Amino acid sequence: EVQLVQSGAVVKKPGESLKISCKASGYIFSTYWIVWVRQMPGKGLEWMGIIYPGDSDTRYSPSFQGQVTISADKSISTAYLQWSSLKASDTAMYYCARTVGGANSPDYWGQGTLVTVSS
Amino acid sequence: DIQMTQSPSSLSASVGDRVTITCRASQGIRNDLGWYQQKPGKAPKRLIYAASTLQSGVPSRFSGSGSGTEFTLTISSLQPEDFATYYCLQHNSYPLIFGGGTKVEIK
Repeated sequence: EVQLVQSGAVVKKPGESLKISCKASGYIFSTYWIVWVRQMPGKGLEWMGIIYPGDSDTRYSPSFQGQVTISADKSISTAYLQWSSLKASDTAMYYCARTVGGANSPDYWGQGTLVTVSS
Repeated sequence: DIQMTQSPSSLSASVGDRVTITCRASQGIRNDLGWYQQKPGKAPKRLIYAASTLQSGVPSRFSGSGSGTEFTLTISSLQPEDFATYYCLQHNSYPLIFGGGTKVEIK
């Protein structure tokens, strides 16, 4: 059974760094892309970027380029989304999901990680 | 970037109604479109891929159509469990873009 299990909810202060995770199981991690999607409170879905764990090929939406870093460790079937300096506007639910091919619609999704940034 | 215009942004309907949601792309995207359902507090769930292919396990009352720039998601007979927010996603080219969403509410 394909599963994507994300790390738990976090509360951080502005300026702090953060790395959230997405652990995959039930399929060959290095042969599917992982996408990250943001959903701000009460708002719609935003595609942030994508990584192919097989060779770490990564693409970002222009809206998120330079704001976050997407990475993956295929030895432990885990993808990551990280910030070096959080802002209050980063408060959102973040989802990881799997896609067959980079430019494709994700089929399996993680349960989401709620990130709250507040002083 | 390709822009996706989804309409309506919300609608009220009754159980048993036929519901249609539309997504328009700012340029042709062939059939590179998916439809998702999201319920409050839950991750999105894929209903349709490649514009018209039903995801395994999704009820047949859901259907998708269209190609190029105009796409439609139809629910043939709305059921209580279908009250949710629906999103389209273009995956023709980077960056992938979601439509703004359609909230389907109970009339």
